[in-house]
Order: sequence, then structure tokens, then C-alpha cells
Amino acid sequence: DTGVSQDPRHKITKRGQNVTFRCDPISEHNRLYWYRQTLGQGPEFLTYFQNEAQLEKSRLLSDRFSAERPKGSFSTLEIQRTEQGDSAMYLCASTPENTIYFGEGSWLTVV
Amino acid sequence: KNEVEQSPQNLTAQEGEFITINCSYSVGISALHWLQQHPGGGIVSLFMLSSGKKKHGRLIATINIQEKHSSLHITASHPRDSAVYICAADSGSARQLTFGSGTQLTVLP
Repeated sequence: DTGVSQDPRHKITKRGQNVTFRCDPISEHNRLYWYRQTLGQGPEFLTYFQNEAQLEKSRLLSDRFSAERPKGSFSTLEIQRTEQGDSAMYLCASTPENTIYFGEGSWLTVV
Repeated sequence: KNEVEQSPQNLTAQEGEFITINCSYSVGISALHWLQQHPGGGIVSLFMLSSGKKKHGRLIATINIQEKHSSLHITASHPRDSAVYICAADSGSARQLTFGSGTQLTVLP
């Protein structure tokens, strides 16, 4: 499969635990995005990478959130000390010039 | 007021009906995307528009840059078209998208 893949697809964690999500973009796409989506809402921008450089971060990305894209390939999104309000779907997307490809999303439930 | 607004929020149609979903945006854009999201989360890009009209099968997307308005039309709707349809404005130099809240479409057989 040559699409954008995300792992894990579902994660249930206890409040206060750390979680990490991984995104493998389409290999020739140098732009990678993370979005968060809650039920009944459209996705909200979290952060953007061009190759390995994190060029933009939303104010939604508190200091408990960190994202990396070492070597400009896969990316990880880590949430430390999870809170119930972090429960959402975390979407990764990568783009060539004229369209956008989304992963299937990683569902996070914080209990 | 959201920067990207869609209407209606929910739409139920009978199979075969012509469907229109509207999107208005207040930001300057370089392009507008129409996306389809099925239960379980996966989002598929349907169209990316910067002007005029695009057609793919039974789907047609139009955009009026002056009025900051876009529409997605589905002709001869089918139950398999049931999904959430989201418009997203591509406005930043980082090509970040601003999403509408989506339109839940249900097509009944």
C-alpha cells in the first residue's frame, strides 16, 4: 500500500500516561501535516513539516505535545501527561503540489 | 464566525436525488478542497479547486472566488455516497487547511 499510514489506529490510555502516534507519509511527499478531529467537527491544524523542518505549530499544540520528523520521512506525535480533553482522532496528511492525502487517523481515548 | 462554513450540517436524500452542499469562506485562499470522510475516519480528497468547475463521475464542484463560495453537487445520488463531506480552504503559505465542520449526507435506498 502506498498511501499515508498511521499507527496505532486506536489507543486507549489512562489519564496522565504518554502516548505516541506514528505517521508514514507517501515517500515522495515532502510536506507532512498533523490535524486533530473531534466528533462532529472538521479537523483542526496542529503542525506542519517540510522535510525534517517543523515550520508551523498551532496554538492548539500545547507544551505537552511534541512532533518530530527525523530525516524528513516518518513523523511522530507525542502527547505527554494525557488529559481527557486530548481524546480525539489524530490525522496525518502529506501533499505533493496539487492535492492532499490523508491517513486513516489514530483514535485516542483517554480514560 | 468560523472562517469556513458549510451548509447544511445534515442532509438526508432519497436515492437518485440531486444533492448540493455549500461552502462559504472568509479567508483568502489559493485553493479549496472538497473531502469525503467515511465512518472510521479515513478522508479522501475529492477535488482541489482554484477557479471554475471540476467534474469527476457523478460529482461536480464549483467555486466562485469573488463571492467566496463553493458548492459540491452529486447527481443521481446513491446510498454509497453516504458520508461526511468537508470543504477545506487552503490559504496559508504553509498550505495549512482550514476545515469546515462537515455535512453528514445520508442517501436512503
